[in-house]
Amino acid sequence: DADVTQTPRNRITKTGKRIMLECSQTKGHDRMYWYRQDPGLGLRLIYYSFDVKDINKGEISDGYSVSRQAQAKFSLSLESAIPNQTALYFCATQPWDSLTQYFGPGTRLTVT
Amino acid sequence: DQQVKQNSPSLSVQEGRISILNCDYTNSMFDYFLWYKKYPAEGPTFLISISSIKDKNEDGRFTVFLNKSAKHLSLHIVPSQPGDSAVYFCAAYNQGGKLIFGQGTELSVKP
Repeated sequence: DADVTQTPRNRITKTGKRIMLECSQTKGHDRMYWYRQDPGLGLRLIYYSFDVKDINKGEISDGYSVSRQAQAKFSLSLESAIPNQTALYFCATQPWDSLTQYFGPGTRLTVT
Repeated sequence: DQQVKQNSPSLSVQEGRISILNCDYTNSMFDYFLWYKKYPAEGPTFLISISSIKDKNEDGRFTVFLNKSAKHLSLHIVPSQPGDSAVYFCAAYNQGGKLIFGQGTELSVKP
């Protein structure tokens, strides 16, 4: 079984809709991250959390919110989706004692 | 403002030859660097890392070189194999502890 799972893997939604992307991990890592990947831009940090009660904005948090429901779960919400939020979204985890981040398989989101 | 740059969007190499992927960064305070490999429809997977106190780190066919004065790192793959065909991202930790990624280089290893 995958250590970091993301649901859904693909989603098409309309402008203005609210959508939630979910991330679960079985690695037991405290730190979790949400990134988006756009062609030619690499991965950019949206939000991150170092434990259940800790939420921090990343480089591009506008238009997004997150919820850390448990150590193993970190959800990303788009309150009112817009077409320029069309991208690949990745969740990542990291143990507190390492600098290596471990990524989920990604969610391809299309906003029409 | 791209703080970590991979200026070659793509690279094509013959099987068995060396692949050299390059990465430049702008901030001399970056002190830890990683390379990730990404296959289509999968998430990035960690490949190799290097601390700024070193100038070389080797793991099997993969070697990362760091030139701090030039703010440049490179990933060498020797010998290259068709299964190495993927997108490679370099990344660096900034002073705030955030991982900054380059744009990626797509490597194609031809049999």
